[in-house]
Amino acid sequence: GAGVSQSPRYKVAKRGQDVALRCDPISGHVSLFWYQQALGQGPEFLTYFQNEAQLDKSGLPSDRFFAERPEGSVSTLKIQRTQQEDSAVYLCASSFGQLEGNEKLFFGSGTQLSVL
Amino acid sequence: KQEVTQIPAALSVPEGENLVLNCSFTDSAIYNLQWFRQDPGKGLTSLLLIQSSQREQTSGRLNASLDKSSGRSTLYIAASQPGDSATYLCAVGGGGNKLTFGTGTQLKVEL
Repeated sequence: GAGVSQSPRYKVAKRGQDVALRCDPISGHVSLFWYQQALGQGPEFLTYFQNEAQLDKSGLPSDRFFAERPEGSVSTLKIQRTQQEDSAVYLCASSFGQLEGNEKLFFGSGTQLSVL
Repeated sequence: KQEVTQIPAALSVPEGENLVLNCSFTDSAIYNLQWFRQDPGKGLTSLLLIQSSQREQTSGRLNASLDKSSGRSTLYIAASQPGDSATYLCAVGGGGNKLTFGTGTQLKVEL
């Protein structure tokens, strides 16, 4: 596709509900990242995929957070039993290769999650 | 753990002024530094990428410098325009295939 696409754009959940956020990266991009951005803050790293392999999940805040990319393209971030502190914008980004290879990172517009 | 700080947190300038945004980081073992722009309700757009072996990068009215040894980068914007109003984020790459972001500088350019 032309850019990184995320859906839904906005999600309102009641506390305790499960949510699933979708990311469709740029076609052919090997690396896919999820970031969490709280209001007024910079994005915080959550997890990273290289193709279908989840190589780094050190930023996931708890075991309620789970991400997958089963066929190496579309990715889903799932949050179980949502809490109010999960309210944030969830950003997905992709790159053609490794960031260490000085590849630029392309971001989607994000999913704004509000937990009531 | 890498920490990235951006100063100032917010800046308001009249149109046409030249300005400098600052970024500092605590761990100099980085492979690159990137500057991004974020418009309200939007994702991030990459502006400039400076490799660790480089000192600066230029794109149009933007110039970014990197002093890795002192842990500092600056983004210079020449002849600012109202369309430059946005939040500018600095991010460093290091410690694996991921970026660590600062909290951003919110810029407003007034007519």
